Amino acid sequence: GAVVSQHPSRVICKSGTSVKIECRSLDFQATTMFWYRQFPKQSLMLMATSNEGSKATYEQGVEKDKFLINHASLTLSTLTVTSAHPEDSSFYICSATGTSGGTLSTDTQYFGPGTRLTVL
Amino acid sequence: DAKTTQPPSMDCAEGRAANLPCNHSTISGNEYVYWYRQIHSQGPQYIIHGLKNNETNEMASLIITEDRKSSTLILPHATLRDTAVYYCIVSSFGGTSYGKLTFGQGTILTVHP
Repeated sequence: GAVVSQHPSRVICKSGTSVKIECRSLDFQATTMFWYRQFPKQSLMLMATSNEGSKATYEQGVEKDKFLINHASLTLSTLTVTSAHPEDSSFYICSATGTSGGTLSTDTQYFGPGTRLTVL
Repeated sequence: DAKTTQPPSMDCAEGRAANLPCNHSTISGNEYVYWYRQIHSQGPQYIIHGLKNNETNEMASLIITEDRKSSTLILPHATLRDTAVYYCIVSSFGGTSYGKLTFGQGTILTVHP
């Protein structure tokens, strides 16, 4: 249990285009999802927190108009990087907490495999 | 959330126990200790967490000192596949920081044949 998937795993795009990354909880209902970014040789940095059906809460310094987050269902959250530029190239990782018939720990984040974004 | 301190790197021989320390001297009463690991170019993997009692699961054991100011993650029989960056994180579920995980630099564990 507690499997989180991300799609795509890798994307290369041209500068100025928008890229959408999907994060899905496969076997549990994700009441809260988190989006992180990780630059080479650095640790994960939290970008935003989203609850199903609510607007995301962004961390200080993260542009909400550039990184659009939608958490429309209990199994899907999307991150759209709008007008991507080379400095947005990074490893984007989502995580989720939730419930699964009472057998899942709601106080544990389970992470997806990550999406490698390269902006040319 | 409280800050944690971990050694930047550790080595371990395959088949031996790996003991990874973590200091969290400013931990507060409602904060849990979480351990995750990240293998290169993958998302972090949950290992174990605890509040004040020692915990054990199929992956590891977590030993938390009585004053809760430090903890040790124990991998009982390390394998080459356990080579990864190990993160010790404290997190609470109250107030505006609900469930947030703040990742530090972690400990790079290298398991040698």
